[in-house]
Amino acid sequence: DAGVIQSPRHEVTEMGQEVTLRCKPISGHNSLFWYRQTMMRGLELLIYFNNNVPIDDSGMPEDRFSAKMPNASFSTLKIQPSEPRDSAVYFCASIIGGVNGYTFGSGTRLTVV
Amino acid sequence: DQQVKQNSPSLSVQEGRISILNCDYTNSMFDYFLWYKKYPAEGPTFLISISSIKDKNEDGRFTVFLNKSAKHLSLHIVPSQPGDSAVYFCAAHLTSGTYKYIFGTGTRLKVLA
Repeated sequence: DAGVIQSPRHEVTEMGQEVTLRCKPISGHNSLFWYRQTMMRGLELLIYFNNNVPIDDSGMPEDRFSAKMPNASFSTLKIQPSEPRDSAVYFCASIIGGVNGYTFGSGTRLTVV
Repeated sequence: DQQVKQNSPSLSVQEGRISILNCDYTNSMFDYFLWYKKYPAEGPTFLISISSIKDKNEDGRFTVFLNKSAKHLSLHIVPSQPGDSAVYFCAAHLTSGTYKYIFGTGTRLKVLA
């Protein structure tokens, strides 16, 4: 089991550009989560999917952020246009159930200059 | 509105001594709690959890205590080892039928050799 796979690991982009972050959950996990980590707010939930359907996107900061899960093995988080305040580490996580929590990916460190 | 708070951003402990990491929450509807550990450049990994019907859960060197009346939980690491140096996140689950967790801002633990 390769775990949750995120790409790219690092992304540096200029303000105003479109950024797409990618995630492959663990096979068989039916819930997927996108989190953002910042010093001030810790780990914030942006959006989560259950069986590929968005369930709660109340954490998405604004319309510049969008997320999709076209199938059970792939999800994207897109920021368009990007701004310097979007700079953070973005994590994807998946879970099949139980009380042992999510499995997180290694994250994408996004820097918007 | 931070429903899960970790008020100590950092903690330093001597090797072999006890590390105590604290977490406070505001929502009485949380039904279980988790601790995650995060090393640099890696995603958070699950460490230990506790149901709201219990007041203690132990796993090797790690023990989590829950005080529901005070809305407080703590993670004890005994004895502390240099490899325990990491950022520790407290997370809480709402009784909602979903796997949505709310995380605190994290505490950076440094165990000094």
